[in-house]
Formats: sequence, C-alpha cells, structure tokens
Amino acid sequence: DSGVTQTPKHLITATGQRVTLRCSPRSGDLSVYWYQQSLDQGLQFLIQYYNGEERAKGNILERFSAQQFPDLHSELNLSSLELGDSALYFCASSVGQGGMNTEAFFGQGTRLTVV
Amino acid sequence: DAKTTQPNSMESNEEEPVHLPCNHSTISGTDYIHWYRQLPSQGPEYVIHGLTSNVNNRMASLAIAEDRKSSTLILHRATLRDAAVYYCILRDWRKTSYDKVIFGPGTSLSVIP
Repeated sequence: DSGVTQTPKHLITATGQRVTLRCSPRSGDLSVYWYQQSLDQGLQFLIQYYNGEERAKGNILERFSAQQFPDLHSELNLSSLELGDSALYFCASSVGQGGMNTEAFFGQGTRLTVV
Repeated sequence: DAKTTQPNSMESNEEEPVHLPCNHSTISGTDYIHWYRQLPSQGPEYVIHGLTSNVNNRMASLAIAEDRKSSTLILHRATLRDAAVYYCILRDWRKTSYDKVIFGPGTSLSVIP
C-alpha cells in the first residue's frame, strides 16, 4: 500500500460526459502528479500541483483540468469525453521539497472507460 | 530535460540475476537516477535511486558508471513477481517542487520459470 488513495477504481461513462477523479496523497506529501496511461501511449504526464499551486504541465488537453485543495487532495476533471480518453489515470504524490528524498508514490489508478 | 534510453524488453530465468541497463549521456550534475517499476495492472512503484555511488536496498542494487552516463539496475535473483516494466528516470533534486517526472517506454522484463 503506497498510501495514495484514488477513487473511484473503475468508471464507465458515455461520450460527451464529464467525470471527476479524486486523489488523496500520502500524509505530509505536498506534491501531486497526474498521469494518463493508455495501451498505446505509456505513462503520460499530465500535470503537477505543489501545495495548492500548479507547478508543471505536460500534454494535458484543454478539456481536462485539475486542482489541489487546501487539505492537499486533488481532483482531475475530464469533460466532453471521447472514446480515446479511455485509459488508466494515476495519481502520485511526493514530499516535493527538494533534497534527496524525491521518491514518488503512486496510487492504484482509476480505470476510465468511455463508451 | 535529460533523457534516458533503455532496451524495450529483456528476459531472465527465474532465480538468475538480472542486469537492466540505462543510458543517460546528457545527465547533469544535479540529476538523481531513479528506477521505478510497474507490475501488471498496478501503479508504478519506486525501486531505488542514487547520485554517484552504487546503492543497495532490499529490492535491488543500482550500479552507476563513473562518468554517470549510464547505470544498471541489478535484481540479484529474479522471481516471477519481478516481471514488470522497469523505468529509468532522471530527477533534478533542485526541481522536485515543480518537476515533471517523465517516464519513457521502459524495459519490459519477462521472467521465465
């Protein structure tokens, strides 16, 4: 158990809909990362938050948005869903304060299926 | 960002040692070398990391070349549970509050009983 909790584990929704994925980081971790993993793309970095602020952005679509709340949990919002958005979405957290301890802990992922 | 290159796939016999190579010829002085692995249907998990010296932990050993342009993850006795995709990643310790943690394709390790 990594200590990172993602909900829901599975989600099936129709094209055009909007969903919210939730991530609770490990206690004390300030950084949260979101990744998308589809069969043919590998692990794609989407976005990183640090202590409530957006810090780094990857290839995140405009239809996707995220935020990190004061209690440090994070949500990834996916809207106008398309079939190609079907993937595993992972959240990771790390202390994020620099130095040697830069290990990132990953949740078990949310499997999103768009039909 | 400095990049890493790894073989796409490797095979090992069970209970044999496995050496997983990674090249990172453009590594900078502030980059730590991290290894993660992803078991089937699970999130990636941290394996080991190092800067210059070789490192050992309960999961594996990390051997870093003297010029730091390559490294090798060593699994001393492969088990079936070690079948996974192994990722070699560089992380600049100065940027951990805003770095991207980019994963490449990794090496898919198969363990043969």
